[in-house]
Amino acid sequence: QSVLTQPPSVSGAPGQRVTISCIGSSSNIGTGYDVNWYQKLPGAAPKLLIYGNTNRRSGVPDRFSGSKSGASASLAITGLQAEDEGEYYCQSYDMGLSWVFGGGTNLTVV
Amino acid sequence: QITLKESGPTLVRPTQTLTLTCTFSGFSLSTSGVGVGWIRQPPGKALEWLALTYWDDERRYSPPLKSRLSITKDTSKNQVVLTMTNMDPEDTATYFCARYFVPLKNFEYWGQGTLVTVSS
Repeated sequence: QSVLTQPPSVSGAPGQRVTISCIGSSSNIGTGYDVNWYQKLPGAAPKLLIYGNTNRRSGVPDRFSGSKSGASASLAITGLQAEDEGEYYCQSYDMGLSWVFGGGTNLTVV
Repeated sequence: QITLKESGPTLVRPTQTLTLTCTFSGFSLSTSGVGVGWIRQPPGKALEWLALTYWDDERRYSPPLKSRLSITKDTSKNQVVLTMTNMDPEDTATYFCARYFVPLKNFEYWGQGTLVTVSS
């Protein structure tokens, strides 16, 4: 059971917009720790997409954006493409557990 | 160009000790603000942070696994070694090492990962 809660799955049609939520608590996101987002494709290493809640890593398309409010964060993907299909993880820091990841969200482009 | 690569056994017997090596290039672990961490992903499950060592030799461990983990660095060889004792089938996972950058507080660069199976 991850301390950061993500929906197990989301889906969308090509061109649509999807959002992935990441709900934390007062011991992690809610206390001000930043949230990072990673994309994990099968057989590949995790790839950093968003860091510091809202900052897009160099080379990441501007279709990806992050936000944070209170003890939760969200990743939004607009103009959905087939290549976006994969797993997405939020990550933050927890006062008791140090670095923590969310349970992961499987994105399907239908 | 920053690269990291994990190496170690692919099969470990229950109760044995696992030793994994992360060999990296393109940065130095003696540079202020830099760290190398280990993260694993069991099949079909989420990413889980295990341990991290900083440039100043500070070491951090996942509290639930702290008693079984040890992380060390060899700056001259550009390597970080993770040992995990008393391996169990539930420790079967792909193990990744990644560079941590303190100013940006993220794991920006990752190795390709190495699958470790724990089975008798």
